[in-house]
Amino acid sequence: EIVLTQSPATLSLSPGERATFSCRASQSVSSYLAWYQHKPGQAPRLLIYDASNRATGIPPRFSGSGSGTDFTLTISSLEPEDFAVYYCQHRINWLYSFGQGTKLEIK
Amino acid sequence: EVQLVESGGGLVQPGRSLRLSCAASGFIFDDYAMHWVRQAPGKGLEWVSGISWNSGSTGYADSVKGRFTISRDNAKNSLYLQMKNLRAEDTALYYCAKDSSGGKEFDYWGQGILVTVSS
Repeated sequence: EIVLTQSPATLSLSPGERATFSCRASQSVSSYLAWYQHKPGQAPRLLIYDASNRATGIPPRFSGSGSGTDFTLTISSLEPEDFAVYYCQHRINWLYSFGQGTKLEIK
Repeated sequence: EVQLVESGGGLVQPGRSLRLSCAASGFIFDDYAMHWVRQAPGKGLEWVSGISWNSGSTGYADSVKGRFTISRDNAKNSLYLQMKNLRAEDTALYYCAKDSSGGKEFDYWGQGILVTVSS
């Protein structure tokens, strides 16, 4: 089983700042990593798939990078609506793993 | 517009059963695998189960294997999760999620349905 470890647990930033989220896999997952945004009371939203591809309708301020075991999600300039919890996720066969999440809060 | 609408949740006693449903619309349902993902109170996301487009293959998290059964009815554009021998730790918001075209992530999610297991 591949374990995904996200850091930091909480990120405190202000609108307009740059946000950087880390996801580390316990073994190589190639580029097969996705990122989601989840706000309370809402459905999770796919942001990035295959490590660096933005999903449909995702604004360009969201970008993903990495391969192997180390991945990064970057929000270039935070908008008020970006404050949420962010998860990374990987799949191998019928095993789907999520990281524990990083909460992005307003400073 | 893709829509996934869960139903069937509620309060149930430990050891009892419950069946969740997910009504899908806005896409060709039988072209995609479908999944259930849950979030326990104060916790993160946990994949629960998935089923291939033709029901030929299914998968389960170890935490529910042997107790939960996923199924689908392509004629009704519906996904189901039969949950038996429920435990307190099954208390969660359960989301129905659609497989992406790439088959490695979930590109659309429902709003979720709450299942509470308590005496």
